[in-house]
Amino acid sequence: QKEVEQDPGPLSVPEGAIVSLNCTYSNSAFQYFMWYRQYSRKGPELLMYTYSSGNKEDGRFTAQVDKSSKYISLFIRDSQPSDSATYLCAMTEDSNYQLIWGAGTKLIIKP
Amino acid sequence: NAGVTQTPKFRILKIGQSMTLQCTQDMNHNYMYWYRQDPGMGLKLIYYSVGAGITDKGEVPNGYNVSRSTTEDFPLRLELAAPSQTSVYFCASSYPAHGPGRYEQYFGPGTRLTVT
Repeated sequence: QKEVEQDPGPLSVPEGAIVSLNCTYSNSAFQYFMWYRQYSRKGPELLMYTYSSGNKEDGRFTAQVDKSSKYISLFIRDSQPSDSATYLCAMTEDSNYQLIWGAGTKLIIKP
Repeated sequence: NAGVTQTPKFRILKIGQSMTLQCTQDMNHNYMYWYRQDPGMGLKLIYYSVGAGITDKGEVPNGYNVSRSTTEDFPLRLELAAPSQTSVYFCASSYPAHGPGRYEQYFGPGTRLTVT
C-alpha cells in the first residue's frame, strides 16, 4: 500500500463547476499537508498548505484536512479553464523536510 | 530573482552514455532536492542536500550521483544511462525557516530525458 493515494484521473468538468480533489494517507504522524499545481511541461508550484486538521480558504480554493479519516481535499469553486492542470498533494511529519507525494490528479475544465 | 533554473531542457542519451543535469538557485536556500517524475507516478526523491558538502539518498538513488560544493548549485550525474532513467527530472529548493510554510519547495522547470 502506498503511503499517499491519489486518483490520477483525468477529471473533466464544465466551466463554473465545483471541483473536489482528494488524497488519502496511511501515516498518522503526518502534520503538514500541501497542494501543488503543475501546468503541462512546468514544475509544480505550491497552491495551499494546511497544518493539522481543519479548513483553509484562499479565494476560490479551500483545503480541508480530516486527520481522523486520514483524508485531505482541495475544493475549487467557480472553476475556470485556466485551472486545468495536474494537482499533487504532498505531506510530511513535523521537522521532516522530505515530502511524500501523491501521484497527482489531472483536471480538465471544459469551456 | 530567477528562482530555480535547470539545464538542459531536453536531452536524448544513448544507453551507456553519461551526463550531468545542472541545477542552480539564487534564493540562498540551504535545502535542495532532485526528483524524477514518471507518468501517473508522482514525484520520487532521488537525492537531497541540507547544505553545501552534505548530501543524502532519497527513495530512488540507484544510477545517480550528486555533489553540493556551493549553496547555489546541486548537479545530478547519470552514469551509464539506462532506458529506465527516461523521465522528467525536477530540481527543487527550500528554506527551513520557522512557521508552517517552511516545508514549501520551489521547483525548476524540469529536464526531459530520453534514453534509447
